[in-house]
Amino acid sequence: DAGVIQSPRHEVTEMGQEVTLRCKPISGHDYLFWYRQTMMRGLELLIYFNNNVPIDDSGMPEDRFSAKMPNASFSTLKIQPSEPRDSAVYFCASRVAGRDEQFFGPGTRLTVL
Amino acid sequence: GENVEQHPSTLSVQEGDSAVIKCTYSDSASNYFPWYKQELGKRPQLIIDIRSNVGEKKDQRIAVTLNKTAKHFSLHITETQPEDSAVYFCAARGGADGLTFGKGTHLIIQP
Repeated sequence: DAGVIQSPRHEVTEMGQEVTLRCKPISGHDYLFWYRQTMMRGLELLIYFNNNVPIDDSGMPEDRFSAKMPNASFSTLKIQPSEPRDSAVYFCASRVAGRDEQFFGPGTRLTVL
Repeated sequence: GENVEQHPSTLSVQEGDSAVIKCTYSDSASNYFPWYKQELGKRPQLIIDIRSNVGEKKDQRIAVTLNKTAKHFSLHITETQPEDSAVYFCAARGGADGLTFGKGTHLIIQP
């Protein structure tokens, strides 16, 4: 298996633009997580899905952030409009029900100018 | 919600010595405690984990201990090597399914 796949790996955009981050979980995994990593705040859980259904989005910082999982093999995290403070590395992770380990994707480094 | 505190933020040890990183958690319902290693520019990778029904777990040079009463758990690395240099994160999972992470420990192995 290729592991969790994220795209793009790097994104540079200007303030006010819409940003869409993409994630493909490991095949057969029931859970998908979106995390954000910054120097100041560390690794934070933004939202997670179970069987494509959003379960907990309490970590989503603002209404500018939204996430979807239209099917078991694809999820998006959208920021609209983006702001410089959104600059961070965004990780997607997945795991299978009944098992503990979460597998992280390579991350998307987002820079908002 | 869960809160995880991690200490120290930076740890420098001589190659061959042991390193210990400590974490505390707040939610007594938490039952799963993983440790991740993250190298610069890379993704976090699980190195060891422990569930709340176990007090200690060991994997070669790495061990984790858990004290449920005190709500703290520790990572122990023995015979440290240069390739152990990285940032280490502890985490806890309670009633929800997502992980709450500590702020990380930058481990530096001095030659």
